Amino acid sequence: GAVVSQHPSWVICKSGTSVKIECRSLDFQATTMFWYRQFPKQSLMLMATSNEGSKATYEQGVEKDKFLINHASLTLSTLTVTSAHPEDSSFYICSAQGQGVAKNIQYFGAGTRLSVL
Amino acid sequence: DAKTTQPTSMDCAEGRAANLPCNHSTISGNEYVYWYRQIHSQGPQYIIHGLKNNETNEMASLIITEDRKSSTLILPHATLRDTAVYYCIVRVAGSARQLTFGSGTQLTVLP
Repeated sequence: GAVVSQHPSWVICKSGTSVKIECRSLDFQATTMFWYRQFPKQSLMLMATSNEGSKATYEQGVEKDKFLINHASLTLSTLTVTSAHPEDSSFYICSAQGQGVAKNIQYFGAGTRLSVL
Repeated sequence: DAKTTQPTSMDCAEGRAANLPCNHSTISGNEYVYWYRQIHSQGPQYIIHGLKNNETNEMASLIITEDRKSSTLILPHATLRDTAVYYCIVRVAGSARQLTFGSGTQLTVLP
């Protein structure tokens, strides 16, 4: 299967700082990338969808000015949590879909656990 | 995407086959059945998908009933590392939309 790399896997930051999470498709071009958030004992919830070269589409209730998404190339999308607060602590997961092996299958990164102190 | 129903949890003895059922009675003709699993504190992992024929790969087999209203994921020889939440998702192949995750089935493989 295809590989999606997500970095970092774990980050701790102080309240008020910003954190950037990277999501890369290593062996295919990702025309669409998705960002999910997962709280303990809950299922994945979509935050936003990004298409290469376009502005991200955010789900209702997700603040676009707080969760900045950039999808500047066909292999890289970034999620920046700005002015993070303890309630932003969660497990953030990206996924990608695109061409070739990833045309009909969405592949996921390993996730990033964010802890805001 | 059609709604799916899965049991909340299942146990399986190590080395035995794990059979995970999924109901999707409102599935449309162009919708595929996808299976993913999420091991604790990891991102979801794609397992297998199919339209109407049974499918097999190195991880699992997928059996879809003739009326396509239900399916079963089979892990032929479960190991402790197969302990995870398994999600059955119905969607159109190649759709650019997100995956909608339900509650899934917590499979626990017992030694």
